[in-house]
Amino acid sequence: AQSVSQHNHHVILSEAASLELGCNYSYGGTVNLFWYVQYPGQHLQLLLKYFSGDPLVKGIKGFEAEFIKSKFSFNLRKPSVQWSDTAEYFCAVKSDNYGQNFVFGPGTRLSVLP
Amino acid sequence: DAGITQSPRHKVTETGTPVTLRCHQTENHRYMYWYRQDPGHGLRLIHYSYGVKDTDKGEVSDGYSVSRSKTEDFLLTLESATSSQTSVYFCAIRGGSGPRGETQYFGPGTRLLVL
Repeated sequence: AQSVSQHNHHVILSEAASLELGCNYSYGGTVNLFWYVQYPGQHLQLLLKYFSGDPLVKGIKGFEAEFIKSKFSFNLRKPSVQWSDTAEYFCAVKSDNYGQNFVFGPGTRLSVLP
Repeated sequence: DAGITQSPRHKVTETGTPVTLRCHQTENHRYMYWYRQDPGHGLRLIHYSYGVKDTDKGEVSDGYSVSRSKTEDFLLTLESATSSQTSVYFCAIRGGSGPRGETQYFGPGTRLLVL
């Protein structure tokens, strides 16, 4: 079945540690890829997106993601996390093979310890 | 901020009662979506709309109906609420043309508790 998976359910890091959150999808065709962040009690906000071109995408707040087509992956990275990065992170895919809709992964909760 | 509001923001209701949630946008976007968010499931699409009076079902549409009589409003109705519909409901829009047109932007959410 077509799906979006996120490898980690809950990640706990100390401040200044490096972060990598995994995202894999199973859709074929042309894909648009997104990472959203949800701070506690808030709505989803766009962190970054990939449509085409350079597979390394830079987003807000020092986040970046790399699209690896051969691995169907779009992993999110940040070299040094802060306590304020504590949130839930969602990967999402829009595929030409799936019409006009977006499919979200189950989310990864990030806890950053001060 | 994409100019999306949702009402109510919080609601407590009883099993078997009808409930309507409203999503309002100010930027004339064609596509609007309703999702529910539950722990461990991420966001799941309930229904979406691609224009006035044009709607279609999503992944978890059973027990829900929608209406869109004006571009700016997209209503989600639970005809007879059940406890399994306790959730946080998010509305989203998708922009028009260009890169922004392929990105979803979300409203603040409605927290619904069905007793």
